[in-house]
Amino acid sequence: DAGVTQSPTHLIKTRGQHVTLRCSPISGHKSVSWYQQVLGQGPQFIFQYYEKEERGRGNFPDRFSARQFPNYSSELNVNALLLGDSALYLCASHRGGGNTGELFFGEGSRLTVL
Amino acid sequence: AQSVTQPDIHITVSEGASLELRCNYSYGATPYLFWYVQSPGQGLQLLLKYFSGDTLVQGIKGFEAEFKRSQSSFNLRKPSVHWSDAAEYFCAVGAPGGYQKVTFGTGTKLQVIP
Repeated sequence: DAGVTQSPTHLIKTRGQHVTLRCSPISGHKSVSWYQQVLGQGPQFIFQYYEKEERGRGNFPDRFSARQFPNYSSELNVNALLLGDSALYLCASHRGGGNTGELFFGEGSRLTVL
Repeated sequence: AQSVTQPDIHITVSEGASLELRCNYSYGATPYLFWYVQSPGQGLQLLLKYFSGDTLVQGIKGFEAEFKRSQSSFNLRKPSVHWSDAAEYFCAVGAPGGYQKVTFGTGTKLQVIP
């Protein structure tokens, strides 16, 4: 079975632009979470979606938004990019909606904002 | 609010030596506890998890961790380190019954020397 896939793997944007990152969960998994990992730090929780509904949101500004599609894939959108948004964005999938098991992470999308 | 502290930013051990990575958490009750490993350019892989029961947890790749409630600790151990264990290790905490907000520590980078 394919793991969690994310695209693009690398991208470069300039300040003020917007970006869309995509994630396909493992087949059969209905939950997707997004994390931001700044260089030298641990991942920070941004969003969780389960069955196309937002289930949780971390301490991120409204410039960050996400959605989940009927096939359970997900998009993370970031508007008005700042230099500080440069990070590795990780998507994780999970079979259910609760916090009872392993999160399966993709390899991430590395965003550089110039 | 839940939090995780990994006091060691960088650890160097000789191949074949034993390893212990420290993790302390802050949470009002008994949390869910995890150790993840991240190799360069890779996503996060779960090594082991603690939900309840036996406080000594066995994981993959020969790792184990012990939950000590009195010390709010969940240290990771391995009796004999292999060169392939060189990676960054993250301790993480989750709220039982909650959504999938997992709070990660800042990580410990493990270097293995021959």
